[in-house]
Amino acid sequence: AQSVTQLGSHVSVSEGALVLLRCNYSSSVPPYLFWYVQYPNQGLQLLLKYTTGATLVKGINGFEAEFKKSETSFHLTKPSAHMSDAAEYFCAVSPMDSSYKLIFGSGTRLLVRP
Amino acid sequence: GAGVSQSPSNKVTEKGKDVELRCDPISGHTALYWYRQRLGQGLEFLIYFQGNSAPDKSGLPSDRFSAERTGESVSTLTIQRTQQEDSAVYLCASTPRGGFGQPQHFGDGTRLSIL
Repeated sequence: AQSVTQLGSHVSVSEGALVLLRCNYSSSVPPYLFWYVQYPNQGLQLLLKYTTGATLVKGINGFEAEFKKSETSFHLTKPSAHMSDAAEYFCAVSPMDSSYKLIFGSGTRLLVRP
Repeated sequence: GAGVSQSPSNKVTEKGKDVELRCDPISGHTALYWYRQRLGQGLEFLIYFQGNSAPDKSGLPSDRFSAERTGESVSTLTIQRTQQEDSAVYLCASTPRGGFGQPQHFGDGTRLSIL
């Protein structure tokens, strides 16, 4: 069965520092990959997605992610953290055998220190 | 409305009671999903509706859980004889159509607390 692993339930960075949130998936066939952000008491908002083609994907709010097939990874980065980036981030995959489902990681809470 | 709408936003009820949660998808979206999010965890898939096709109920955790959808509009998730472990945020999402790799549009969820 497909699974998604997000390393680190909490990540803390200083404002202006690099943000790196890790995501690894298990699949013999590259699935579609997504990053979502969840602000308190809100639903999930799509940050970016990888389907096919270019492996470096740019999303909203200055975030980007790189699909690395050899490492089965899809890490999320942002060069300079803002206070407004503090939220919960979820990596998700859409498996090839049940295409409409999303399999989510357990999430990483990003804390931004002033 | 512009987005997925869920009601109520919060629900507190006693153990053993039945609850009904509502989801209004984005107008024109044929596919609708329900998820459960327990505290500090990711989302668990519950059920998927696509048009007039038979729903995929494979994620429903027990027979106390059921869901219905009227055509391509409103959906209700019903939990009978609620238990404390049912406490969670229930999220609904929709997509313009079913199928591979579409980003899902989420509502703000219903926070369910079982006393």
